Amino acid sequence: NAGVTQTPKFQVLKTGQSMTLQCAQDMNHNSMYWYRQDPGMGLRLIYYSASEGTTDKGEVPNGYNVSRLNKREFSLRLESAAPSQTSVYFCASSRASRSPLHFGNGTRLTVT
Amino acid sequence: QKEVEQNSGPLSVPEGAIASLNCTYSDRGSQSFFWYRQYSGKSPELIMSIYSNGDKEDGRFTAQLNKASQYVSLLIRDSQPSDSATYLCAVNRDSGGYQKVTFGTGTKLQVIP
Repeated sequence: NAGVTQTPKFQVLKTGQSMTLQCAQDMNHNSMYWYRQDPGMGLRLIYYSASEGTTDKGEVPNGYNVSRLNKREFSLRLESAAPSQTSVYFCASSRASRSPLHFGNGTRLTVT
Repeated sequence: QKEVEQNSGPLSVPEGAIASLNCTYSDRGSQSFFWYRQYSGKSPELIMSIYSNGDKEDGRFTAQLNKASQYVSLLIRDSQPSDSATYLCAVNRDSGGYQKVTFGTGTKLQVIP
């Protein structure tokens, strides 16, 4: 049982480049989330998807787009990377309302 | 005021002692409360969930919730060096059809052998 799988684990981009972070869960969860974690800032929600076919903005959505491809997959795209997007990105999923989040292993992104 | 506040620490306790981690939250509509442990360079992992006032025990861990005081705590009994990590408090409320989960910035715990 893999849980929540994120790819890649590490990525270095130059300013202006684009990339997509992939996330897949095999727990049949309805809700999926993308967070970023920065020192001293804690985990901040970028985008979430309450169910297949729906997405909405979180606390820090600027510079990002998402796609809920199906119930299992939720991708995060950086169209034009900026140094301020250097961070660790976590994908998470939850079964239902009031249920805890289950996290992937994270993607460490550096933008130079 | 931050929505979820934790003392950043580090909190240092000797091996075998009780570690007490505290968290306050501002949203009175919060419904679910979680403690996550995060080792350096790793992802958060769930330790405890608590949904109603009072204590909930699981092994060496006890979560305490007081909704009137908007306070959540985590006690770790017989602390071990392997408990050294950052502990994240998370607070959840239903908000327009999705879970709004807000995290504190975490308390770093150091267990001294």
